[in-house]
Amino acid sequence: AQSVTQLDSQVPVFEEAPVELRCNYSSSVSVYLFWYVQYPNQGLQLLLKYLSGSTLVKGINGFEAEFNKSQTSFHLRKPSVHISDTAEYFCAVSGRGGSNYKLTFGKGTLLTVNP
Amino acid sequence: DTGVSQNPRHKITKRGQNVTFRCDPISEHNRLYWYRQTLGQGPEFLTYFQNEAQLEKSRLLSDRFSAERPKGSFSTLEIQRTEQGDSAMYLCASSFPSETQYFGPGTRLLVL
Repeated sequence: AQSVTQLDSQVPVFEEAPVELRCNYSSSVSVYLFWYVQYPNQGLQLLLKYLSGSTLVKGINGFEAEFNKSQTSFHLRKPSVHISDTAEYFCAVSGRGGSNYKLTFGKGTLLTVNP
Repeated sequence: DTGVSQNPRHKITKRGQNVTFRCDPISEHNRLYWYRQTLGQGPEFLTYFQNEAQLEKSRLLSDRFSAERPKGSFSTLEIQRTEQGDSAMYLCASSFPSETQYFGPGTRLLVL
């Protein structure tokens, strides 16, 4: 079984400032890691994913995340945010192997970008 | 790809009524997932299909819930005798044989 903890429920920042959204996970097996973004009243859009290889992964809209196995973390970063980045962000994990890659999500972090 | 589609987008019903939601996955995606998202929470896994076979159901899926995927294409999720606690966003996702799931826009259910 896996679990995901998103350490901040809300993160307010000013436009053009850097931001980091924190995610820690727990799992007894190796995992894949994902970040999804959800705009109001919409479904989830994949931002980026870590499957294997380089621990620094780049995604859409200028976001990147770093996998740290020793700290079981997968924090999301962006060097300069825009108003349009205001949304809910979800960190998720799935187990490797088998055929069911069901996702376990954190509770989400609401990123609010202020002018 | 036209993306995952879900219908209806919104549903308001009275307690005790039955409701059915439909999900059309990305074509050729053989895996299909249903999740439920309540206010202020992340999505929670409900059930999973590989082709037409339902291979796993969460304990969240009470016996009032049933899901089908005839012919391995679209899927339906039915809730019988709805309760106010069923009010949530129901999300569908699909994937090709891989770990990456693509989500639809969701169906928001409100039970009065």
